[in-house]
Amino acid sequence: DGGITQSPKYLFRKEGQNVTLSCEQNLNHDAMYWYRQDPGQGLRLIYYSQIVNDFQKGDIAEGYSVSREKKESFPLTVTSAQKNPTAFYLCASSIFGVGVAKNIQYFGAGTRLSVL
Amino acid sequence: KQEVTQIPAALSVPEGENLVLNCSFTDSAIYNLQWFRQDPGKGLTSLLLIQSSQREQTSGRLNASLDKSSGRSTLYIAASQPGDSATYLCAVFTSGTYKYIFGTGTRLKVLA
Repeated sequence: DGGITQSPKYLFRKEGQNVTLSCEQNLNHDAMYWYRQDPGQGLRLIYYSQIVNDFQKGDIAEGYSVSREKKESFPLTVTSAQKNPTAFYLCASSIFGVGVAKNIQYFGAGTRLSVL
Repeated sequence: KQEVTQIPAALSVPEGENLVLNCSFTDSAIYNLQWFRQDPGKGLTSLLLIQSSQREQTSGRLNASLDKSSGRSTLYIAASQPGDSATYLCAVFTSGTYKYIFGTGTRLKVLA
């Protein structure tokens, strides 16, 4: 089955701890994205990557870090610098090769992060 | 800076009604607009994508229209069913930015 897999589904972070959220896709998509969703708010972009070994900050990158060593994988680390990490995190991917106007984003099932 | 607004924030209708969800955006320089469905605690499912050169797209009971000049899109749901209950989000892919900007969504409840 093709798709985007996020793990874990639920994650708990202790004070001062870094945690890493996994995102893997087997759609052969070039671009990958990380969003944060808070109750009653739309999705806000944290980081995105258009190609391997390259990524750009989104609108709320402070306290987060990413890597893109493989096309299939785009892990997100929530660092201790992120003071309000409790949220629902969504990973997405898309293909640019068909023309940017046809760029459909496909989403994973999400990871819910809570602070202990 | 692109801003996306969805009205109403919540909507409750009896089963069988036809309904319209609205999405407005401030910058008309977009590549496309995408409508998504989100069930509670789940990821987003793409419903329809309208390219900037298109006026509308249809899929089953769903029809989405785009008026770029006025910065508006509507999602029309025909003959609503309880299974349509979910949050519906629109997102615009803004020219030159290579990223989507999302609205805050409309939470729809269809009563049996």
